[in-house]
Amino acid sequence: AQTVTQSQPEMSVQEAETVTLSCTYDTSESDYYLFWYKQPPSRQMILVIRQEAYKQQNATENRFSVNFQKAAKSFSLKISDSQLGDAAMYFCAYRSYGYGQNFVFGPGTRLSVLP
Amino acid sequence: DTGVSQDPRHKITKRGQNVTFRCDPISEHNRLYWYRQTLGQGPEFLTYFQNEAQLEKSRLLSDRFSAERPKGSFSTLEIQRTEQGDSAMYLCASSQRGGAENTEAFFGQGTRLTVV
Repeated sequence: AQTVTQSQPEMSVQEAETVTLSCTYDTSESDYYLFWYKQPPSRQMILVIRQEAYKQQNATENRFSVNFQKAAKSFSLKISDSQLGDAAMYFCAYRSYGYGQNFVFGPGTRLSVLP
Repeated sequence: DTGVSQDPRHKITKRGQNVTFRCDPISEHNRLYWYRQTLGQGPEFLTYFQNEAQLEKSRLLSDRFSAERPKGSFSTLEIQRTEQGDSAMYLCASSQRGGAENTEAFFGQGTRLTVV
């Protein structure tokens, strides 16, 4: 079974600065998807960024980018120019390549943004 | 379409009572997932449907839990004889079968269950 680990329960960053959230995973599969989801306080979870394992190029979405190291099974999220609205729980998630597989989530990292 | 909708948002029940939650997925999505999330933890998979078929269930889903998705549209999650350990946020998510661009899950706001 796949597992996802997030070793940083809490992180903080100064507004306008850059922060990196770590994620490692364990799998024997070669094809899969990785995601970062954001869960603001009392609000629903939304997708931040997605990476297909077969793509070598790291995904980027505006201020959000990932560092995907397939051999190391590492998938970190970098948030540039942090904003107050970035404060939330961030979950790293894994999904098998085959259709219909469920998502496996890490325990999350709580990000605080300091003004 | 306003996204995945869950009802109720909050439920307080006495231990031993039965509760039922409803999830309305995004209309064109044929996959529907139920997750449970306790405070400070990531979501834990409970079960998922493709259309009306329940294709996978977690071992976390004891026999007190049952889920249905009649006609492949909305889904219900019922917990019988609730226990205090059932207190959690119950999340529903849906996704669309398709190419690589359709791999993400869209989540509802969840139903927070408190068993007293």
